[in-house]
Amino acid sequence: QVQLQQWGAGLLKPSETLSLTCAVSGGSISENYWTWIRQYPGKGLEWIGETSHSASTNYNPSLKSRVTMSVDTSRNQFSLKLRSVTVADTAVYYCVMSSNTSSNWFDPWGPGTLVTVSS
Amino acid sequence: QSVLTQPPSVSGAPGQTVIISCTGTSSNLGEGYDVHWYQQLPGAAPKLLIYANKNRPSGVPERFSGARSGASASLVITGLQAEDEADYHCQSHDSSLNGDVVFGGGTRLTVL
Repeated sequence: QVQLQQWGAGLLKPSETLSLTCAVSGGSISENYWTWIRQYPGKGLEWIGETSHSASTNYNPSLKSRVTMSVDTSRNQFSLKLRSVTVADTAVYYCVMSSNTSSNWFDPWGPGTLVTVSS
Repeated sequence: QSVLTQPPSVSGAPGQTVIISCTGTSSNLGEGYDVHWYQQLPGAAPKLLIYANKNRPSGVPERFSGARSGASASLVITGLQAEDEADYHCQSHDSSLNGDVVFGGGTRLTVL
């Protein structure tokens, strides 16, 4: 059973780069797509994008200019970088495994990392 | 503003049945994209509850069920229990956004 564990800096200043990493255990990172989702304080969820071991990526157009996702197959990890953060990027960030189907659902989810952007 | 529309809150007494709606448009649910549901207990990450409209992952009680019809979907919880108090989120895709993932705004279920 796949489990996800994530880490990264929780407090950033405006204009800095958000950097999060997610480790996959119980499965191979080469077998699925891997997604990042964030949740604002008001509870709404936003899809940030997805990546795979083949370096295929698909980003939310609203974030595309600032986002980079990558996979490290040797470590069974994937990562998210979001540049030039602002207060509006304050949220809980989740790493998630995407189902390997055309009907794309998310399971399991990592525990989440609260990222606060404040000057 | 979420692409899929959910009621902000619903409530019910133990043992009752509650229905949480998820309303889309012709470019998401109405176009035939599947809907998936997630349960988020207080302080926890969302957890897959229903996938592909009506399917329960292993371990999810039978009192949770889902359905989709046209541009709308619903999550039905029968025999409500105190432990069901949580936020519920629907998710699908939208062709006007190149098939990208979209979510509802989430519904807070309160067990009275």
